Amino acid sequence: SQELEQSPQSLIVQEGKNLTINCTSSKTLYGLYWYKQKYGEGLIFLMMLQKGGEEKSHEKITAKLDEKKQQSSLHITASQPSHAGIYLCGAPLNDYKLSFGAGTTVTVRA
Amino acid sequence: NAGVTQTPKFRILKIGQSMTLQCTQDMNHNYMYWYRQDPGMGLKLIYYSVGAGITDKGEVPNGYNVSRSTTEDFPLRLELAAPSQTSVYFCASSYSRGRAKNTEAFFGQGTRLTVV
Repeated sequence: SQELEQSPQSLIVQEGKNLTINCTSSKTLYGLYWYKQKYGEGLIFLMMLQKGGEEKSHEKITAKLDEKKQQSSLHITASQPSHAGIYLCGAPLNDYKLSFGAGTTVTVRA
Repeated sequence: NAGVTQTPKFRILKIGQSMTLQCTQDMNHNYMYWYRQDPGMGLKLIYYSVGAGITDKGEVPNGYNVSRSTTEDFPLRLELAAPSQTSVYFCASSYSRGRAKNTEAFFGQGTRLTVV
């Protein structure tokens, strides 16, 4: 089983609507990272959360870290076509090497 | 800074051929990784290294080999290529000092490999 579980696996959202992606770890979190990937392209770093309760925002994307629950959420407000892609959470787990979730594919419909 | 440089970007191999994917980073990161990504899937760790001279297996190491003779370089070797190794390969690097300090991973642009 995955050490980092992402949900949902995929979602389709109407342009202008909000969406939330969750990432839950089976191990203690010492930080969590969110990346975005356009199909067939490299990974774009979005943000890093290092402390329990930390919340960061960049443009319309907000991420929170709940260290006690060992999970993070990524929230997009008023989605746009540019938000479409695969969102991946990553965290330093065993030996502090970076493990990744399976990804959430986001489709934004006009 | 160039960051993480990965070559080649594309490659077609015939079954049974061998090749090396090159990866270089100039950020003095101690951790380096090789991941593969199959269509519609996340990243699966092939091998990783926590420093020069030290490598370890990830989730899917079979059919691959790595070496880490310097801090900067972490090549991935495919021996006897098989169609199952058709994938997109990403090299990445990060800095870790255990619980106290970890950076995000910086990724190369990926290598799209097809084995026919």
